[in-house]
Amino acid sequence: KAGVTQTPRYLIKTRGQQVTLSCSPISGHRSVSWYQQTPGQGLQFLFEYFSETQRNKGNFPGRFSGRQFSNSRSEMNVSTLELGDSALYLCASSPGLYNEQFFGPGTRLTVL
Amino acid sequence: DAKTTQPPSMDCAEGRAANLPCNHSTISGNEYVYWYRQIHSQGPQYIIHGLKNNETNEMASLIITEDRKSSTLILPHATLRDTAVYYCIVRVDSLSGYGGSQGNLIFGKGTKLSVKP
Repeated sequence: KAGVTQTPRYLIKTRGQQVTLSCSPISGHRSVSWYQQTPGQGLQFLFEYFSETQRNKGNFPGRFSGRQFSNSRSEMNVSTLELGDSALYLCASSPGLYNEQFFGPGTRLTVL
Repeated sequence: DAKTTQPPSMDCAEGRAANLPCNHSTISGNEYVYWYRQIHSQGPQYIIHGLKNNETNEMASLIITEDRKSSTLILPHATLRDTAVYYCIVRVDSLSGYGGSQGNLIFGKGTKLSVKP
């Protein structure tokens, strides 16, 4: 089985712009979670989707949003980018809500 | 906040067993212990998880104390490729019948394991 894929792998944006990141889960997996990793804060949970519904959300501002499609693929969007949004954004998929999660390679976002 | 405590770093000689400890003294009855590792700049990799019995798979063994307040991840023959940050996480599991939606992983700072030749 192919693993979790994330596109793009690297992205450079400027402050005030918006960005959309994409995640394709492992075939058959219905749950997708997003995490942000920075040197200062470590790995932090953003949100979790299951069957196109957001089931859980971390403590991030409303500029961070996401969605899941009927084929379980997911996107996350960050609007009005700030310098502090520079991070590795990781997507993880799992068969259901509470199974082990399998992570993709991440998207490295740099905000200038 | 993470519900686990791990040493910040450990060294291990190549070919020897690496024993990574984790304290989770406030673990609830319906929470499992999960272990992930992250090799530099890659996504975290699932290793193993367990509830109260010891578990073993092709990657590692997980030993959970009888009171479930601590556990140890054992890599039986560490190689240089096992150098990574290892995260111990407690998390509810649907098999326990928990009906909430708090299935996300809460990562702490982990243990940086350095395997040396």
